[in-house]
Order: sequence, then structure tokens, then C-alpha cells
Amino acid sequence: DQQVKQNSPSLSVQEGRISILNCDYTNSMFDYFLWYKKYPAEGPTFLISISSIKDKNEDGRFTVFLNKSAKHLSLHIVPSQPGDSAVYFCAASGGGGSNYKLTFGKGTLLTVNP
Amino acid sequence: DADVTQTPRNRITKTGKRIMLECSQTKGHDRMYWYRQDPGLGLRLIYYSFDVKDINKGEISDGYSVSRQAQAKFSLSLESAIPNQTALYFCATSRDPGATQYFGPGTRLTVL
Repeated sequence: DQQVKQNSPSLSVQEGRISILNCDYTNSMFDYFLWYKKYPAEGPTFLISISSIKDKNEDGRFTVFLNKSAKHLSLHIVPSQPGDSAVYFCAASGGGGSNYKLTFGKGTLLTVNP
Repeated sequence: DADVTQTPRNRITKTGKRIMLECSQTKGHDRMYWYRQDPGLGLRLIYYSFDVKDINKGEISDGYSVSRQAQAKFSLSLESAIPNQTALYFCATSRDPGATQYFGPGTRLTVL
């Protein structure tokens, strides 16, 4: 049972435009959500997070939105840059007996074209 | 210098061989984790440790064992490697359970 889903394996956008990456989750006990970015031959790098008590968190060009009723979060990158091209993983944690771990989605490959 | 390091970065081995992957961290975190990444499957937790005396199985621990030699060191062993253990392996650390995890650069393991 996949508790964190990233339904788009890939996304392609033009430099300067907005990139929107989506993530859905099924476990209502999740209360902390993170986005990681991964370049080839490197480990995942923490990008931004949001607690379930918020619906938005912003850090420079990156904004994460959380819609708890829909069990949906999204990562907005504005403006997109070629260096943003990477695989983005959504992750969630919290609640019940699983609060020790992060549950990851399968990732979305973002390509930003010059 | 990197906060989380992994050795080796690449390893090719044969079926049946025992191998060890090592992870060291300078972040001072008590919590350490081992994940594997397979194409199209995201990151899956193998083992985790909340302190030197605490070792726990993750979702895919069969065929693996770990050793927490010190707060800063967490090793993953494959006692008898098999081809379906070919994957990318990542070590991670965190300050608290369920909090932000910081990953090493990964080890690419190929089992022939």
C-alpha cells in the first residue's frame, strides 16, 4: 500500500516559468511533510518542509502548499531554473507507531529547459 | 567536508560474497538510517538506529544486517549478496525521529 504518491513520473517546463510538483498521501496521521531534491550520483538533499499546522511554507523560490482535507501537497518553484532539473521526492512522517520514519514517494523527474 | 559520508561509492561483487557498506557522520545526530533506492520505487527503509544500543528493522531488512559501532558510525552488511540486491544504498541521519533526515552521497552496489 503506497501511502505517499507522486503520480507524475516526469515534468518538463521552460526556464522562468512555474514548476508545480504534486504529492498525495493516504495516512491521515502524517503531520510533517518534506521535499527532497536529488541529482544523479548524489544523495537526496533536503529542500523544504511543512508541518500540518500550516498550509503554506515559503523559502526563496520554493513554496510548499498543504491541503489537509484533500491529503495533498504541492511544491511550487518560481521562477524555474535549469539547475532545478533533478528528481524531487515527497516524504511524510508522523502519527501512530510510524513516527520514527519518513515514507517517500517514488519521485518526479523535473526537467527545466533553457 | 561532507556531514554524512559513505564508503565505498561504487562496488561490484559476485553472488554469495559478504560485503559491508559504511556510513560516518559529523552532524552529532543520534538517529541513523539505511535506505535502498531502486528505479521507480523511491527510497525504502532497511534498518534504523536511534542510538548506539538501539537497532530496528525497517520495511525490507531480509538479507541485511547492521552494526552501530559508535554514534557516528553505522554499517550495513550483506551476508551473502544476491543479484536483486543491486541498488543504490543511502545512509541518513536525523536529530529526532521523523524529523528532517540528511543523506549521504550513496553507494552504487552491483551484484553479479
